[in-house]
Amino acid sequence: EAQVTQNPRYLITVTGKKLTVTCSQNMNHEYMSWYRQDPGLGLRQIYYSMNVEVTDKGDVPEGYKVSRKEKRNFPLILESPSPNQTSLYFCASSLRGLLYEQYFGPGTRLTVT
Amino acid sequence: QKEVEQNSGPLSVPEGAIASLNCTYSDRGSQSFFWYRQYSGKSPELIMFIYSNGDKEDGRFTAQLNKASQYVSLLIRDSQPSDSATYLCAGKYNFNKFYFGSGTKLNVKP
Repeated sequence: EAQVTQNPRYLITVTGKKLTVTCSQNMNHEYMSWYRQDPGLGLRQIYYSMNVEVTDKGDVPEGYKVSRKEKRNFPLILESPSPNQTSLYFCASSLRGLLYEQYFGPGTRLTVT
Repeated sequence: QKEVEQNSGPLSVPEGAIASLNCTYSDRGSQSFFWYRQYSGKSPELIMFIYSNGDKEDGRFTAQLNKASQYVSLLIRDSQPSDSATYLCAGKYNFNKFYFGSGTKLNVKP
């Protein structure tokens, strides 16, 4: 089954404790992206990757890191989480290009206390 | 700052009616537009995309794009209670970046 998976689905952590949210897709997609979704603000793009070893900032990259060492994986790293990073996070992937849709993962609900 | 604006709603329509969802965007460089449906607690799923001026129909759904006025709309004909969800409008810019609206909540009453 074609899908995007994320782990963990739920995470409660404390300020400053480094964490990684994994994202993996099995569709051989070149493009992958991370979003956060907050009430009233919609989905905001954090980082995206056009291909292996090619990443770029989205609208809200501060406090996040990403890497793309393999085509299928695109982990999101929070080196020192803060309470304002409490949010619902989605990973998405698509073929490259203007018209291709994004397939979203199931989401990771992160709470930073 | 590239923006996509949507009325947050909720938009309430009776079952069987046409639901009209609207979206405006600020950047004329936006090249294509996508409508996603998101049920509460779930991930967004694509309904349609459009990149040319005019209408595009797919079953009960019609997307409309007017680049001169910078708006995108989604019409849902014969609305069903199962259509009750939040609808997200997104613009794609420069082949790489997506900008999402905050979504319009639709309630279809039986």
